[in-house]
Amino acid sequence: GAVVSQHPSWVICKSGTSVKIECRSLDFQATTMFWYRQFPKQSLMLMATSNEGSKATYEQGVEKDKFLINHASLTLSTLTVTSAHPEDSSFYICSARRDRGTLHFGNGTRLTVT
Amino acid sequence: QKEVEQNSGPLSVPEGAIASLNCTYSDRGSQSFFWYRQYSGKSPELIMSIYSNGDKEDGRFTAQLNKASQYVSLLIRDSQPSDSATYLCAVNINFGNEKLTFGTGTRLTIIP
Repeated sequence: GAVVSQHPSWVICKSGTSVKIECRSLDFQATTMFWYRQFPKQSLMLMATSNEGSKATYEQGVEKDKFLINHASLTLSTLTVTSAHPEDSSFYICSARRDRGTLHFGNGTRLTVT
Repeated sequence: QKEVEQNSGPLSVPEGAIASLNCTYSDRGSQSFFWYRQYSGKSPELIMSIYSNGDKEDGRFTAQLNKASQYVSLLIRDSQPSDSATYLCAVNINFGNEKLTFGTGTRLTIIP
């Protein structure tokens, strides 16, 4: 069964609004979670590393003020896309590490900004 | 040079044949290697992980790693139509560092 749960699976929002995506590790604690973005026919691009109890680490070119990450507990990380624009439309996927080197992915969130 | 390179395909293989997927990586210090399968519109799921040179078999899947050549491959025996998907190669540099770098993926189609 799934070890990482992501919600919602899809969302449509209007330009300028904010959207929150949740990522939960099921039956294990994850001090670190990862947020990826995937545009159509492209690979997964790491956006940021979410660290429980501390600030997230963002990859180069990812705006930290636009993509707010909160990792308030050992089983939950959230990604908020603020002031969303159509170019933010993408497939957002979170992941968490359960065993050494093994990442498990959530089911992803399809975001469409109109 | 991309950090992780894959042939984007599409790769078409007859049902029952062996599908061979290849991946090269640029960082010689890379330590662990993964193959993920991704169906259209879905998130990736782990197929195989490999850390040492040589072959690792799991059912119909065999991962092969050659660190000297900076090359990792995935063989799928007795290919089934359900194997049709995009296969992503992923690499990370250090144990304990979970940051993965993905290739662009190879789209595989199994022809019935």
